[in-house]
Amino acid sequence: GAGVSQSPSNKVTEKGKDVELRCDPISGHTALYWYRQSLGQGLEFLIYFQGNSAPDKSGLPSDRFSAERTGGSVSTLTIQRTQQEDSAVYLCASSWTGTNYGYTFGSGTRLTVV
Amino acid sequence: TQLLEQSPQFLSIQEGENLTVYCNSSSVFSSLQWYRQEPGEGPVLLVTVVTGGEVKKLKRLTFQFGDARKDSSLHITAAQPGDTGLYLCGYKYIFGTGTRLKVLA
Repeated sequence: GAGVSQSPSNKVTEKGKDVELRCDPISGHTALYWYRQSLGQGLEFLIYFQGNSAPDKSGLPSDRFSAERTGGSVSTLTIQRTQQEDSAVYLCASSWTGTNYGYTFGSGTRLTVV
Repeated sequence: TQLLEQSPQFLSIQEGENLTVYCNSSSVFSSLQWYRQEPGEGPVLLVTVVTGGEVKKLKRLTFQFGDARKDSSLHITAAQPGDTGLYLCGYKYIFGTGTRLKVLA
């Protein structure tokens, strides 16, 4: 597609439920990133996929968070047993291999845990 | 860990005023990106600076990369309400905490 697509755009879930957030990167972009942005805050790095290499998971805040990227394209971020502090906007970005020239972001998924 | 510190955190100015926001680090970077994020949207890349001392202009926005490639600044001339947003500097997947700019009509 022309841009990075994220779905759903909004998700309200009950505390303790699992959620899956989806990211469709720009076709041909081999690098994919997930970030979390709490209300009024900057970007918190979560995880980075580059081609077929093992992902950099160093930003995942707990073992309730996981992500996978199938076929080098679509990625899913899963949050298990959601907590209220997980409420935030989850942003996905993609880029060409090894670029230092910036990323293209999706519009994000706003997650609200009630 | 390479950290990017941005200042000021918040800035509220009147339309027509000039402003400068800063991005600083103790590390040397091979490049630096600036993004603007509007409410409800993801950040949008404005510019990448690569060479120490480089100056890039984007309409009323002027970006400068420090000679030592440890810092950068963004200057906006005659700010408009449409400039309102969160300005982020970034290197690879590391981002600063941002400057939240509000331009009042």
